[in-house]
Amino acid sequence: EPEVTQTPSHQVTQMGQEVILRCVPISNHLYFYWYRQILGQKVEFLVSFYNNEISEKSEIFDDQFSVERPDGSNFTLKIRSTKLEDSAMYFCASSNPRTENTEAFFGQGTRLTVV
Amino acid sequence: RKEVEQDPGPFNVPEGATVAFNCTYSNSASQSFFWYRQDCRKEPKLLMSVYSSGNEDGRFTAQLNRASQYISLLIRDSKLSDSATYLCVVIPPYSSASKIIFGSGTRLSIRP
Repeated sequence: EPEVTQTPSHQVTQMGQEVILRCVPISNHLYFYWYRQILGQKVEFLVSFYNNEISEKSEIFDDQFSVERPDGSNFTLKIRSTKLEDSAMYFCASSNPRTENTEAFFGQGTRLTVV
Repeated sequence: RKEVEQDPGPFNVPEGATVAFNCTYSNSASQSFFWYRQDCRKEPKLLMSVYSSGNEDGRFTAQLNRASQYISLLIRDSKLSDSATYLCVVIPPYSSASKIIFGSGTRLSIRP
């Protein structure tokens, strides 16, 4: 069964450092997403990406965040200067709403800890 | 009004009980609806899609009420392994299908 894979599974970084979270979406999917979940809280939308550009982003996705699909397979989330409050589980997801099955598939997540 | 709203629970029910959750959504033109399940510190996983005619998968039944803009999930004969957070997920109309909207989740705990 195809799956979304994310690396690393856990990242610890110092406040102010840059981090890049990596994702490999399912190959025939067209939409790509990043979500985050602070411990004990709901899943929050960060950004969606379609046709090599950001389709929609939330207010959380400020200038410190960026996304890229550098080589047609990887989909990355960069946080330029991490803050303590960026500590969360980050989930990548992909979907293809043009197929019969429009559901999104999630990666296992990257737990980011900012110290 | 929130885009997707769920009762956060927690629901604490005995094994074998029947439990039902509701979820309301604000965009009447929404096209696709799902229930996801999330175990502690794990990624959300698709439990079932929700079709207009209602659908059943074993002990799980999902219903959609477009007139009242809610979806429901019924779990019969609950098992200990059903303990999880259940997320209601709505996808806006295809023309703007760039955001999957999650409810805040309903926590379910099944006790022996």
